[in-house]
Amino acid sequence: DQQVKQNSPSLSVQEGRISILNCDYTNSMFDYFLWYKKYPAEGPTFLISISSIKDKNEDGRFTVFLNKSAKHLSLHIVPSQPGDSAVYFCAASAGKAAGNKLTFGGGTRVLVKP
Amino acid sequence: DVKVTQSSRYLVKRTGEKVFLECVQDMDHENMFWYRQDPGLGLRLIYFSYDVKMKEKGDIPEGYSVSREKKERFSLILESASTNQTSMYLCASNEDRGEQYFGPGTRLTVT
Repeated sequence: DQQVKQNSPSLSVQEGRISILNCDYTNSMFDYFLWYKKYPAEGPTFLISISSIKDKNEDGRFTVFLNKSAKHLSLHIVPSQPGDSAVYFCAASAGKAAGNKLTFGGGTRVLVKP
Repeated sequence: DVKVTQSSRYLVKRTGEKVFLECVQDMDHENMFWYRQDPGLGLRLIYFSYDVKMKEKGDIPEGYSVSREKKERFSLILESASTNQTSMYLCASNEDRGEQYFGPGTRLTVT
């Protein structure tokens, strides 16, 4: 039973255009959400996060949107650059009561074409 | 600069062998985690620890054990390696519910 799902395993986008990555969750106890980026043969690196008290968080080219009623979040990358080609994971946390652990989605592989 | 290191980048072991994967963090973090990453399944939590000598099972603990004798070090043990444990193993650490910092990963192949 996957509590965090990324339904698109891959995404291809032209350089300069917007990349939109989607993530759905089922556990209503999740109150903190994160996006990670992973290159091959490297560990994931943190990109951006959002608390459930917000519906949007922006950091440079990256914006995360949270729709609590739909249990859905998305990551927008604009403009997309070739260096953004990687696998992106969304993750969710239910806080200290759940051991501060993260539950990850299956990942979306993004390819940005020059 | 924060750092999580893992003892090996690549490892090949035979079925039935005992395997030790070590992770060290230099950030004085309370929490440490072991995940495995498999295509299409994302990162799945094996075990985590929120203090020295403390451990908690994650989502897929079967076939694994852990040890945390010092705050900075968290070891993952495969008591008797099997081919279905061939995977990428990732260690991470954090403080409270902050972002987790990951090591570079160990690609383990069990033949």
